[in-house]
Amino acid sequence: EAQVTQNPRYLITVTGKKLTVTCSQNMNHEYMSWYRQDPGLGLRQIYYSMNVEVTDKGDVPEGYKVSRKEKRNFPLILESPSPNQTSLYFCASSSYPRDRGLNGYTFGSGTRLTVV
Amino acid sequence: GQQLNQSPQSMFIQEGEDVSMNCTSSSIFNTWLWYKQDPGEGPVLLIALYKAGELTSNGRLTAQFGITRKDSFLNISASIPSDVGIYFCAGLLYNNDMRFGAGTRLTVKP
Repeated sequence: EAQVTQNPRYLITVTGKKLTVTCSQNMNHEYMSWYRQDPGLGLRQIYYSMNVEVTDKGDVPEGYKVSRKEKRNFPLILESPSPNQTSLYFCASSSYPRDRGLNGYTFGSGTRLTVV
Repeated sequence: GQQLNQSPQSMFIQEGEDVSMNCTSSSIFNTWLWYKQDPGEGPVLLIALYKAGELTSNGRLTAQFGITRKDSFLNISASIPSDVGIYFCAGLLYNNDMRFGAGTRLTVKP
């Protein structure tokens, strides 16, 4: 089954403790992206990647890092999490940047992160 | 970055009623997309619109790409309980940026 898999689904952590949220897709998609979803603000892009070893900042990149060493994986790294990073995070992929307009994204099921 | 203005923020309706929601922006988009997010899941694409004025249906859902390219609406006819969720509009700008609305939370009372 074609899908985007995120782990973990739920995570509670303490301020300053480094964490990684993994994202993997099995559709051979070039384009991958991370979003955070907050009430009243919708989906805001954190980082995106057009292909392996190519990453760029989205609208809200502060406090986050990403890497794209392999096509299928796009982990999101929080080096020193803070409470304002408490949010619902989604990974998404598409076959090519412009195909996001043709076929949209395939989204993962989300990771609910709480930083205390 | 530029966000879309989606309204209403939430709707509480009776089963069987029709629903209408819309997105507007000051920017011109070359594609409009409508997604639905079920509780505890990621958004899933419902309808994609590619040309100004285009009207597209998917079952009980109908969406239109505004003639000015700055807006879009989604209608749901004869709502049912499984229509519950958050509906997002998304627009693809000419520079390939994708923008999302804040979402419309739909509650359907049986």
